[in-house]
Amino acid sequence: ELKVEQNPLFLSMQEGKNYTIYCNYSTTSDRLYWYRQDPGKSLESLFVLLSNGAVKQEGRLMASLDTKARLSTLHITAAVHDLSATYFCAAFYSNYQLIWGAGTKLIIKP
Amino acid sequence: GAGVSQSPSNKVTEKGKDVELRCDPISGHTALYWYRQSLGQGLEFLIYFQGNSAPDKSGLPSDRFSAERTGGSVSTLTIQRTQQEDSAVYLCASSLAGRYEQFFGPGTRLTVL
Repeated sequence: ELKVEQNPLFLSMQEGKNYTIYCNYSTTSDRLYWYRQDPGKSLESLFVLLSNGAVKQEGRLMASLDTKARLSTLHITAAVHDLSATYFCAAFYSNYQLIWGAGTKLIIKP
Repeated sequence: GAGVSQSPSNKVTEKGKDVELRCDPISGHTALYWYRQSLGQGLEFLIYFQGNSAPDKSGLPSDRFSAERTGGSVSTLTIQRTQQEDSAVYLCASSLAGRYEQFFGPGTRLTVL
């Protein structure tokens, strides 16, 4: 059974700093998703990573995938307050299911 | 184009009552998912529909929960004899097919008193 672990689960950081959220998954998966959720809102897709070594960047966020290590990372560069949200990773499983991490609540202080 | 819509956005009900939650997926999306998200938690898979195939109901927590999808489009999640532990946000998502990116609706916040 596929399990997905995110860490940290909670992160408070200052604006301008860099940090990385880690997403480990337990068995083979060929695609990895990152989503963002603002308080009281639904989930917004950020990245879909389809192959080993895939790297995608959007603004201050960069996601990467290492299928051999079963690890994806979401790196935040020079954080700004607007990036405060909960970030979820999800690994593709079977023909259609995503197995979700517990989420990382990110608070960026001015 | 229009995204996934859900109604109602909020539902407050009394314990023991039945509720129906509705989801309108993105036009052309054949795959539809229901999830449950309790406060501060991750997503719990409930049920998956793909086209005209039999749905995967493996995530439904009890036989009080059921869902249907009419005409391959709109879906309704029904919870019978609601319990307080059913209180959560119920999210619907759709995708082109099972392997593709899921797009989420705004959710229905269910409160059972």
